[in-house]
Amino acid sequence: QVQLVQSGAEVKKPGASVRVSCEASGYTFTGYYIYWVRQAPGQGLEWMGWINTNVGGTKYTDKFQGRVTMTRDTSISTAYLELSGLRSDDTAVYYCARVRTCTTTSCWFYFDYWGQGTLVTVSS
Amino acid sequence: QSALTQPASVSGSPGQSITISCTGTSSDVGNYNFVSWYQQHPGKAPKLMIYDVSNRPSGVANRFSGSKSGNTASLTISGLQAEDEADYHCISYTSSSMWVFGGGTKVTVL
Repeated sequence: QVQLVQSGAEVKKPGASVRVSCEASGYTFTGYYIYWVRQAPGQGLEWMGWINTNVGGTKYTDKFQGRVTMTRDTSISTAYLELSGLRSDDTAVYYCARVRTCTTTSCWFYFDYWGQGTLVTVSS
Repeated sequence: QSALTQPASVSGSPGQSITISCTGTSSDVGNYNFVSWYQQHPGKAPKLMIYDVSNRPSGVANRFSGSKSGNTASLTISGLQAEDEADYHCISYTSSSMWVFGGGTKVTVL
């Protein structure tokens, strides 16, 4: 069955960097984009960007441009999110989610599976 | 891109029907039939409930339905059950591989 399994909770100091992993199983990893979405405590969902797991191309939202890096290792079906220059307002649960890559005839525009979430706490 | 507008909370009694609105603009909800809805229980990951405005993935109860009129999409839960108490989020694809998210709606079963 399809699974996205994320790495465990992290506690970081302001200014530090964090890397969160998302290991995929049960499907062809390179057939789906991986998106990263975060949720601050008591808040709604906020998307951060995506990585095309096939070719490695990325797109980041303006808010995170310059602080975020998304990568992947196709040999182990794992995507990574790295966020630098952490601030207290980066404290959130970070989710990975997949979206199927477009074919020549079809595209899909929804997140059908999500990881379990990784809590990142930024505190001095 | 501005966020989609959802009511902060909606409530109903067991067996009743409720509707959650999700208002965007002519650049997102009004221009694309790519609105999806997600249910999120406390401490859990979101779960896909509706995609492409009105399609239900297999395994989702048929009391959940979606629709759209103009710039507003809606999620209706018919025959409300206690297990439907959760947060619900709408998401719309927009142009240039961009997405816009709603602020989430808390559904309370009275």
